[in-house]
Amino acid sequence: RKEVEQDPGPFNVPEGATVAFNCTYSNSASQSFFWYRQDCRKEPKLLMSVYSSGNEDGRFTAQLNRASQYISLLIRDSKLSDSATYLCVVNRGGGFKTIFGAGTRLFVKA
Amino acid sequence: GAVVSQHPSWVICKSGTSVKIECRSLDFQATTMFWYRQFPKQSLMLMATSNEGSKATYEQGVEKDKFLINHASLTLSTLTVTSAHPEDSSFYICSVAHGRAPDTQYFGPGTRLTVL
Repeated sequence: RKEVEQDPGPFNVPEGATVAFNCTYSNSASQSFFWYRQDCRKEPKLLMSVYSSGNEDGRFTAQLNRASQYISLLIRDSKLSDSATYLCVVNRGGGFKTIFGAGTRLFVKA
Repeated sequence: GAVVSQHPSWVICKSGTSVKIECRSLDFQATTMFWYRQFPKQSLMLMATSNEGSKATYEQGVEKDKFLINHASLTLSTLTVTSAHPEDSSFYICSVAHGRAPDTQYFGPGTRLTVL
């Protein structure tokens, strides 16, 4: 079993739709959680950190459930420019042990 | 955030040759840099942690004699893929760390290596 698992998708949604991604992690000692966005053939870019209290940044909302060991990302009012791969990232702590999920692909269509 | 560059952005080489990839931190002195590899439709896999002035720390399964890392200065780390083979074809990305969490890692634009 992979340490960080994501539904690979792809998710095909129309503009304006709301879409949610989930991610599960297996190491209960994991300390930090993030969502990154990666466009085709480009480097990952930090989208947002994920906190137990939940956090929101515009149309994006991230949630962390430590008891169930899963992380979610909600995108509201999808835009064409949201089309990308979204990577769930977990830091185990104790140094820079960063584990990337394989990513969930999103296609937003007009 | 920190600006990170990589050179070259893409390279095509013959099997058996060695390829050097440079990662530069343009506006930040990086004591630690990371090298990742990403195969198509797969996640980024950490290959090694590069520490300025000391030997790199390699992840399990990564051959240190095949992937030579040199971090000779606070702004430059190099990854040399020695005797490259087609299975080494991948997207190689470096990152620079500001602190002890990945939200302070800044990624370079990546180098796409194709070995014929």
